[in-house]
Amino acid sequence: QSVVTQPPSASGTPGQRVTISCSGSSSNIGENTVNWYQQLPGTAPKLLIYKNNQRPSGVPDRFSGSKSGTSASLAISGLQSEDEADYYCAAWDDSLNGVVFGGGTKLTVL
Amino acid sequence: EVQLLESGGGLVQPGGSLRLSCAASGFTFSSYAMSWVRQAPGKGLEWVSGISASGATTYHADSVKGRFTISRDNSKNTLYLQMNSLRAEDTAVYYCAKSRLMVDTTQSDCWGQGSLVTVSS
Repeated sequence: QSVVTQPPSASGTPGQRVTISCSGSSSNIGENTVNWYQQLPGTAPKLLIYKNNQRPSGVPDRFSGSKSGTSASLAISGLQSEDEADYYCAAWDDSLNGVVFGGGTKLTVL
Repeated sequence: EVQLLESGGGLVQPGGSLRLSCAASGFTFSSYAMSWVRQAPGKGLEWVSGISASGATTYHADSVKGRFTISRDNSKNTLYLQMNSLRAEDTAVYYCAKSRLMVDTTQSDCWGQGSLVTVSS
């Protein structure tokens, strides 16, 4: 069981806005920045958001991140069918002295 | 173009050893921290190990501490993961990942295609 918690699933219809939550503790999200990864079926993960709310070049601005206290969120607006994927949050954990990933959220576009 | 190519995976018996390699190209390898992240079949991502750009600092998950060792050869642009005392629960696809930074291994902006390690008798 991961020390960082995500809902196992989320869904939305095309064009809709969906959010995925990521809940941690003072030793990880509370003290360090959060990063988000997208993993399309059968492929390697891709960095989607870094440092809570920064997008790497090439990531559409439909994707946005935020953090408050020991929780973070990933928002996807204008949902598209190609957004159907697994999404993971990750942060450094000062107690474990390592990176912790959330359990992942499977996003389904209905 | 940034490329990471893992090799060395395969089938190994419980208690055995394996060394994964990750050949990097398309960027200045010695300037970036690197990580190994694994994914068991049908499961989520699990961070395994990280190493700073110089190789001076290494980190390992508790689940592999004392059994796995991450290292790098900057002259060969290659990252390694030596895996000893392998267990069935180590069965996973192992990804090599490049960080955006020199020390921080949490922001991995490039990933290899993965190498499957199967631990079974």
